[in-house]
Amino acid sequence: DVKVTQSSRYLVKRTGEKVFLECVQDMDHENMFWYRQDPGLGLRLIYFSYDVKMKEKGDIPEGYSVSREKKERFSLILESASTNQTSMYLCASSGTASGDFGPGTRLTVT
Amino acid sequence: GQQLNQSPQSMFIQEGEDVSMNCTSSSIFNTWLWYKQDPGEGPVLLIALYKAGELTSNGRLTAQFGITRKDSFLNISASIPSDVGIYFCAGQGPNDYKLSFGAGTTVTVRA
Repeated sequence: DVKVTQSSRYLVKRTGEKVFLECVQDMDHENMFWYRQDPGLGLRLIYFSYDVKMKEKGDIPEGYSVSREKKERFSLILESASTNQTSMYLCASSGTASGDFGPGTRLTVT
Repeated sequence: GQQLNQSPQSMFIQEGEDVSMNCTSSSIFNTWLWYKQDPGEGPVLLIALYKAGELTSNGRLTAQFGITRKDSFLNISASIPSDVGIYFCAGQGPNDYKLSFGAGTTVTVRA
């Protein structure tokens, strides 16, 4: 019953490192999203993609980039990790009328 | 994405009580979704609503798509300890790829 998977549940990286977070969905959904979740701030959209090789900025894209080379895979890239990017990262995918989340990646940048 | 107005922000409830929470939006939606998130996990879809006025149940959970298409309600009946968590509403507007989310309602159950 696997729907949305994320490559890591927990990740610890050093400041300045390049970080890749991978998300894979098996529902043939067109839309995929990356959010970050911080206490008191709710879910904030970083980037989303509505088709292969298409991407659009969300509310907080600074410091992030994304890649969608295949329909089922959406990658979030932190070009140079900083401590303020320590957060819970959630990937989601949606079809025409529903959305499913992955289990999340808890990223700590030291 | 647009931030929906979800209330209350948090609630402490007695086991066995009924619980209500709601979300409002400044624009109309075609879809309303309700999720629950357990600590350290990703949100899990509870109920999806696709039509104004629709009332849908999932066990002890009932959700409604408001007639104005700008709001939605979630009720939990006879709460139990495992109802603890954060409940999120989400909506999707016409021709909109993005989901908009509420900030969440944190539910804590007193045994």
